[in-house]
Amino acid sequence: GAVVSQHPSWVICKSGTSVKIECRSLDFQATTMFWYRQFPKQSLMLMATSNEGSKATYEQGVEKDKFLINHASLTLSTLTVTSAHPEDSSFYICSAGGLKETQYFGPGTRLLVL
Amino acid sequence: GDSVTQMEGPVTLSEEAFLTINCTYTATGYPSLFWYVQYPGEGLQLLLKATKADDKGSNKGFEATYRKETTSFHLEKGSVQVSDSAVYFCALSGNSGNTPLVFGKGTRLSVIA
Repeated sequence: GAVVSQHPSWVICKSGTSVKIECRSLDFQATTMFWYRQFPKQSLMLMATSNEGSKATYEQGVEKDKFLINHASLTLSTLTVTSAHPEDSSFYICSAGGLKETQYFGPGTRLLVL
Repeated sequence: GDSVTQMEGPVTLSEEAFLTINCTYTATGYPSLFWYVQYPGEGLQLLLKATKADDKGSNKGFEATYRKETTSFHLEKGSVQVSDSAVYFCALSGNSGNTPLVFGKGTRLSVIA
């Protein structure tokens, strides 16, 4: 089946630094990828839709200058959390559209900002 | 807009008990419906799906039937195991892999031996 990977799986950083998270579709091409955020014991909230070769579409309330998304190729999308603060600590999950209405999710990246 | 409502958890069951997790949806058109499972510390895994009315999705002993008349997609399993302990998310999407999913809030299931 289709596989989506994320890197890193865990990251701890100091407040004020930037963190880049990679999302890769390993065995299929994805023109569209999605970035979700999940707070502890809560559901996934869509942050943005990443489109290959064009600007990402952000959901209402998500700061595009804070969460930079780049979808440079059909197999790679990156999310950069700029000037991270403790309130940005969360579980970030990407997904990529596959065949027959199915989305495949990455294993997630847990970010802790100290 | 589209939405998914799941029964509130947590749900605690003994091993071999029958499981039902209710899910209803509101959507325009004819969405596809999914159940995803999230084990502790991990990402989401697709458990099963149904793309049209009366379809039944099934996997690993879990089943759910797409009921258009009641706008429901309840998850059932006849005999749960300790290894089924996880959070279960009901979700819907448009009929394209390029459409984001709308998730329910998730239901935490704990199965005790």
